[in-house]
Amino acid sequence: RKEVEQDPGPFNVPEGATVAFNCTYSNSASQSFFWYRQDCRKEPKLLMSVYSSGNEDGRFTAQLNRASQYISLLIRDSKLSDSATYLCVVPVGGYNKLIFGAGTRLAVHP
Amino acid sequence: DGGITQSPKYLFRKEGQNVTLSCEQNLNHDAMYWYRQDPGQGLRLIYYSQIVNDFQKGDIAEGYSVSREKKESFPLTVTSAQKNPTAFYLCASSIGGHNEQFFGPGTRLTVL
Repeated sequence: RKEVEQDPGPFNVPEGATVAFNCTYSNSASQSFFWYRQDCRKEPKLLMSVYSSGNEDGRFTAQLNRASQYISLLIRDSKLSDSATYLCVVPVGGYNKLIFGAGTRLAVHP
Repeated sequence: DGGITQSPKYLFRKEGQNVTLSCEQNLNHDAMYWYRQDPGQGLRLIYYSQIVNDFQKGDIAEGYSVSREKKESFPLTVTSAQKNPTAFYLCASSIGGHNEQFFGPGTRLTVL
């Protein structure tokens, strides 16, 4: 099993839709997680940190399910500007390293 | 403005040549990282450094070398031993541990 797995998509949704992505991880020692956003040909940028059960920031909600070892990202009221690739990031236990998922691509259309 | 800079943005190299990619940060971060990203793939860790004068190999270190002589700087050399060097190279820094990493704008390397 890969350390971090994401559905590559693409998820094609209309403006205003609600969309959710899941990410599964294999290292059960992980304590904190992150979602990054990467625009085409740009660097990844931190979207949200996920500690304990979850986190909410405006239209974005991240949740953590330790028992099933997955984290999710929910985007409500999608905007055209949300079109990007969303990377799930998991720390490797015992090292100062983060493992980046390959990403899920979101395309929001008018 | 605090941040991470990488130069150059685009780099072209002939086969058999070594090339050095620059990464500088003024965030006072202890840890710095180099990643490689190929089209449609995730980031793969090349090297990382937790403190000045110390660095560790990542998952794909073969054909690459680094140095960490100053806290602010972590240059990456892509050597001629790297079989497939054409990729998007990203440098990142963090305060260390499992904290979030902040990325520079990247260098796109093409081997001709």
